[in-house]
Amino acid sequence: EAGVAQSPRYKIIEKRQSVAFWCNPISGHATLYWYQQILGQGPKLLIQFQNNGVVDDSQLPKDRFSAERLKGVDSTLKIQPAKLEDSAVYLCASSLSPSGGAAGTQYFGPGTRLTVL
Amino acid sequence: GNSVTQMEGPVTLSEEAFLTINCTYTATGYPSLFWYVQYPGEGLQLLLKATKADDKGSNKGFEATYRKETTSFHLEKGSVQVSDSAVYFCALSDLQSNSGYALNFGKGTSLLVTP
Repeated sequence: EAGVAQSPRYKIIEKRQSVAFWCNPISGHATLYWYQQILGQGPKLLIQFQNNGVVDDSQLPKDRFSAERLKGVDSTLKIQPAKLEDSAVYLCASSLSPSGGAAGTQYFGPGTRLTVL
Repeated sequence: GNSVTQMEGPVTLSEEAFLTINCTYTATGYPSLFWYVQYPGEGLQLLLKATKADDKGSNKGFEATYRKETTSFHLEKGSVQVSDSAVYFCALSDLQSNSGYALNFGKGTSLLVTP
């Protein structure tokens, strides 16, 4: 079974530029999460989707960050314009469903490391 | 709000030593608790989980027991190997939080095992 795919793996941009990350979850997984992991810290949830609907985006800086999952499968996270403090690893995770049981186990992709200069 | 506190790293051990990484949590409801591991250059992997008080999660020689009375979920292994060198994250999910089952992570503890 293929895991969660993310691209690109690395991205370097200047501040004020825009950038987009792509995630393809495990086939059949209805729930998709984007996390931000700043160096030396644990991942922090940015947004959670259930199929193509947003469950929680309370920690997404909506003035510059946006995300979509139009067909309920793959997802794109965009930053526009980027700031220095956006330098981090952006992790995508998916699960069969948003539950506390085995179906809720989250599987993570390898992440995209963003450096903003 | 919900939070997870892990012991500071890095932790350096000799091969075959006993490992304990402390984790305590604060939650408004009845969370599920997890340990994730991140090997160098790889993504996060679920190591073990426990969904209710007194449950013990175990995998690859690691184990952790959900202690509601002390709000703890300490990770242990009786004999570590060089291949266990990684960063370990304690996490919780709590349906009663606004994020549903999204994970709330600790800061991570780096483990280095030397031959």
